[in-house]
Amino acid sequence: DTEVTQTPKHLVMGMTNKKSLKCEQHMGHRAMYWYKQKAKKPPELMFVYSYEKLSINESVPSRFSPECPNSSLLNLHLHALQPEDSALYLCASSQTPTSGGAFQETQYFGPGTRLLVL
Amino acid sequence: SQQGEEDPQALSIQEGENATMNCSYKTSINNLQWYRQNSGRGLVHLILIRSNEREKHSGRLRVTLDTSKKSSSLLITASRAADTASYFCATDGRNQGGKLIFGQGTELSVKP
Repeated sequence: DTEVTQTPKHLVMGMTNKKSLKCEQHMGHRAMYWYKQKAKKPPELMFVYSYEKLSINESVPSRFSPECPNSSLLNLHLHALQPEDSALYLCASSQTPTSGGAFQETQYFGPGTRLLVL
Repeated sequence: SQQGEEDPQALSIQEGENATMNCSYKTSINNLQWYRQNSGRGLVHLILIRSNEREKHSGRLRVTLDTSKKSSSLLITASRAADTASYFCATDGRNQGGKLIFGQGTELSVKP
């Protein structure tokens, strides 16, 4: 099973709502990622979890709160978002964290959650 | 920050023609990867080339890497309408703290 699943596919929320995005993989990968992607732009890294611990936070506003309950699941909790946060949110996983060393890693992406903040 | 620059930004060709996309980057890398993204969907990994490799093939895909020029190219031969998508290069760099850095992407349109 080489699939990363994400729910929901689409989400519309008001600026005062609290919602969560979910991501799941059963490939035994120990690194999981959240990306944000605006239309016609490349994905921008938000968070990296390595062995269920947060290893990289790309200075993301606190209204985005990631959580990794176990090695297969990754959540992104959303609270008090702004309209400019509307985007495609992509989850990805890789076997081990991209090391910056000799170990090359492919990232497997989910289909994304299309978020609209009103 | 995005270190990759891709050109062209958009490319429109007829089915059966070849498509070439280029990617340039700024820092030393361990590897360079190419991904495809169909409209509004997740990214699909196409091919990975290591810093000590110069060329790699996978089916109709051919990737080259020139580390002296800090550039890579992706060639899709005998293109099909189903190849219509955005293509991104991504670098795994030695000083990137374990992050993949994506280029700006090339939007490929293959007309039947």
